[in-house]
Amino acid sequence: TQLLKQSPQFLSIQEGENLTVYCNSSSVFSSLQWYRQEPGEGPVLLVTVVTGGEVKKLKRLTFQFGDARKDSSLHITAAQTGDTGLYLCAGADQETSGSRLTFGEGTQLTVNP
Amino acid sequence: KAGVTQTPRYLIKTRGQQVTLSCSPISGHRSVSWYQQTPGQGLQFLFEYFSETQRNKGNFPGRFSGRQFSNSRSEMNVSTLELGDSALYLCASRLGQMFTEAFFGQGTRLTVV
Repeated sequence: TQLLKQSPQFLSIQEGENLTVYCNSSSVFSSLQWYRQEPGEGPVLLVTVVTGGEVKKLKRLTFQFGDARKDSSLHITAAQTGDTGLYLCAGADQETSGSRLTFGEGTQLTVNP
Repeated sequence: KAGVTQTPRYLIKTRGQQVTLSCSPISGHRSVSWYQQTPGQGLQFLFEYFSETQRNKGNFPGRFSGRQFSNSRSEMNVSTLELGDSALYLCASRLGQMFTEAFFGQGTRLTVV
């Protein structure tokens, strides 16, 4: 069974601060996706990383896939109140061609004004 | 283009009843996956359908079933509802089996009383 551990589980920071969320596993994934979810809504895809060592930037968000494709991180620079939400990482299973996504427990981020 | 549409958004059912949830994927997408999200377990994979065939199944009892129609729309059914089935049920759409990126609908909030 593939597991993804996310840390921290909760994060409360002030606007303007930087933060990093980690997603770790002992399993190798064919790709890894990051989502943000608002209360009562479905997760919204932020990015997909596929290649080991890959770094992708989306405005103030930087995503990195580990060299061994077992871990990933999300770094937010100068957080804004609009960044508040549940951040989820999800690994795509190589054996099932990605049809089964394994999700981390999520990181609940609160950015205070 | 329209996103993933799930209906209904909210449902309240009584223990022992059955329920059917509907998902219309993004136009042109042929793969539909279903996930259950609860506070305790996070997002758990239920099953995936592609070309009207179930391609992959998670570890849920047989009370959970689904199907996909020729227009790629999918339904999932839960029979003999239990209190523990209360959850947000999410549908994810993919272009095809070789594509990893999954796009989620807003979900159906099912409450079993």
